[in-house]
Amino acid sequence: GQSLEQPSEVTAVEGAIVQINCTYQTSGFYGLSWYQQHDGGAPTFLSYNALDGLEETGRFSSFLSRSDSYGYLLLQELQMKDSASYFCAVRSSYIPTFGRGTSLIVHP
Amino acid sequence: EPEVTQTPSHQVTQMGQEVILRCVPISNHLYFYWYRQILGQKVEFLVSFYNNEISEKSEIFDDQFSVERPDGSNFTLKIRSTKLEDSAMYFCASSSTLGGNSPLHFGNGTRLTVT
Repeated sequence: GQSLEQPSEVTAVEGAIVQINCTYQTSGFYGLSWYQQHDGGAPTFLSYNALDGLEETGRFSSFLSRSDSYGYLLLQELQMKDSASYFCAVRSSYIPTFGRGTSLIVHP
Repeated sequence: EPEVTQTPSHQVTQMGQEVILRCVPISNHLYFYWYRQILGQKVEFLVSFYNNEISEKSEIFDDQFSVERPDGSNFTLKIRSTKLEDSAMYFCASSSTLGGNSPLHFGNGTRLTVT
C-alpha cells in the first residue's frame, strides 16, 4: 500500500517563506508531485520531482530525497492568494495517489 | 488554454437513484481519470481510462460505479444506486501521457449530494 503524511495546517505571514513537508511510504516510486487547490476548486499542478534535488518554478520550489522518502514544497514571498490547500501526490504506478493536504493560511 | 469541463456543477439526488456525471477532457489527451473528495478530506483515486477501457481502479470503484466514453469527447461516471456516503466532490482529470511529468488537468468538479 501507499501512505503519505503532510501537516494538516500551516500558517505564515505575507512575504514570508514557508515549507510544506511530505513523507511517503510506497512499494514503488516514480515521482512526487504537488498540487494546489483553492476552496474545493480544481486541484492544479505545481511541480514534479522524479530525481533527488530541488526544482524551482518562480516563487515555488520542490525538493525530493528518495533515500529519505521525503519531499517538500517551498513557497517564497508569500502572497494572500497563496492561501489554499497543497497536496503532495506520489506515483508508484501510473496513477498519482494524493496525501490529505496541507491547508496554508497566509495572514497580512 | 484548454481545460477540462464538468457538468453539472452540483447534483442533488435521493438515495438509491442513478446519477451520471459528465466530463469533457482536453481534446488531445488520451488518459482520463475520476477522483473524488469528501468534504475536507483527501483527493481519492477512483478509476483511470485509456483506449476505451479501464486501466486501473481503486477498491472504492465497486460494481455500483461504471465509466464510459460514449463518443469522441465525453467521459462519464455513472453511479447506479447512490448511497449517502457517495456524497462528495467528483473530479474528472485528463493527461496527455502517463509519464510522471505529465500533470493531471482537473475539471472544477461536480458536487454530489445524496439525501
